[in-house]
Amino acid sequence: DTEVTQTPKHLVMGMTNKKSLKCEQHMGHRAMYWYKQKAKKPPELMFVYSYEKLSINESVPSRFSPECPNSSLLNLHLHALQPEDSALYLCASSHPGGGTEAFFGQGTRLTVV
Amino acid sequence: AQSVTQLDSQVPVFEEAPVELRCNYSSSVSVYLFWYVQYPNQGLQLLLKYLSGSTLVKGINGFEAEFNKSQTSFHLRKPSVHISDTAEYFCAVKPRGSGGSNYKLTFGKGTLLTVNP
Repeated sequence: DTEVTQTPKHLVMGMTNKKSLKCEQHMGHRAMYWYKQKAKKPPELMFVYSYEKLSINESVPSRFSPECPNSSLLNLHLHALQPEDSALYLCASSHPGGGTEAFFGQGTRLTVV
Repeated sequence: AQSVTQLDSQVPVFEEAPVELRCNYSSSVSVYLFWYVQYPNQGLQLLLKYLSGSTLVKGINGFEAEFNKSQTSFHLRKPSVHISDTAEYFCAVKPRGSGGSNYKLTFGKGTLLTVNP
């Protein structure tokens, strides 16, 4: 199994809503990532978890709250988002270590209205 | 810090023609190099990677890339493209060594390859 599964595939939410994005992998990877990708731009790193601990937070606003409940799951909790937060949110996983590639999920297309 | 420059934002080619997508990088430390492809409304898929050893790297779907250390380049090539190769291609680097920084993939801005019949 070389898949990273993200749910939901599409999400529309209002600015006062609370929602969560989910990501799951069963490759035994101990590093998991959240990226944000705007249209026609490269992915931008948001968070990195290594061995279920938050390793990197790229100065992301607190309305985005990551959670790693176990080594296979990664969540991104969303609250009070702005329209400019609309984007494709990509989850990725890898073995820890620089020489290993990241495997990406299909993404969640988020629209904030 | 690292930076990646993809010299062409768009590359249109005809089917069965050869193609080269150019990538240059800048880094104060040694890096690992990657090429990813993104089809419309999809995630990213690894095409190939350079870790060490032979500078010519072969990947999936008939793609290959050559690492040139002196020119700090990692250009992607395919001798004959298909319509199905139409996609966005991202070059990326990651620093070698230990520590939190080696989790950080730095992407180029991407090259849209459009293969026309």
